[in-house]
Amino acid sequence: GAVVSQHPSWVICKSGTSVKIECRSLDFQATTMFWYRQFPKQSLMLMATSNEGSKATYEQGVEKDKFLINHASLTLSTLTVTSAHPEDSSFYICSARAGTEITGELFFGEGSRLTVL
Amino acid sequence: GEDVEQSLFLSVREGDSSVINCTYTDSSSTYLYWYKQEPGAGLQLLTYIFSNMDMKQDQRLTVLLNKKDKHLSLRIADTQTGDSAIYFCAEIPTSGTYKYIFGTGTRLKVLA
Repeated sequence: GAVVSQHPSWVICKSGTSVKIECRSLDFQATTMFWYRQFPKQSLMLMATSNEGSKATYEQGVEKDKFLINHASLTLSTLTVTSAHPEDSSFYICSARAGTEITGELFFGEGSRLTVL
Repeated sequence: GEDVEQSLFLSVREGDSSVINCTYTDSSSTYLYWYKQEPGAGLQLLTYIFSNMDMKQDQRLTVLLNKKDKHLSLRIADTQTGDSAIYFCAEIPTSGTYKYIFGTGTRLKVLA
C-alpha cells in the first residue's frame, strides 16, 4: 500500500518555541492531506484539511495562527506549532488521500509526539 | 450530530473471537471503515465495506453492517496477542462535508 511518513516521530521543545512537523507521501501524489490531534485514550480530532497550492481549511476551534499548515507540493505538507505551550503537547497524525475521490482511502503517517516543557 | 460511538474496552483470551461494535449516525455514508492503531503509531486500514453490502469477509476479519440500525461490527476470529490495539471505525457522510468521522476507539486486549 501507499506510504505516508511523518518526521519527527518524537520532539521535545521548550515553551515558547515553534516546532515543525512534516508529512510526506512517499510513493503517490496527495492532493489532500489531513492533520489530526489525538489526546491520550481518545479518538482523532481533525484539525485541518490541507489542499496542495491553497490555504488550509481549519476546523472550528482550531487556531490557524497557532497551527500553521503549508501544503507546498503534492508530496509534502507541514504543520508548525507556533509558540508552543505545554497544553499543545499531544500526538499529531497526518493522513493523505491518493487521487481525487472524496471517499478514497486515507493513508496515515506514523504520528509525531510533541512534548512541550 | 455526527457521532460515531464504540465501546471503550474489550478483553478476550487468545484463540477466542473478538467482536467490536460501532454505531454511526449518518445513513448517507457510502463507505464504512475499520482502522487499527498500535501503541504510538498511526492508523492502519484493516478493511472497509460499501453501504450496499451486509457482510464482508477478509481472512480472519468479518464485517457486518446493519443499515437499518446503523450498526457496524468487526469480528476477529482466532484472536492473537498481536491483535491487541485500538480499533477505530470511521464513516464518510456524503450528506455533509465528506470528512472522515472516527469513532471513539475500542481498546482490545488479548490475554495469553
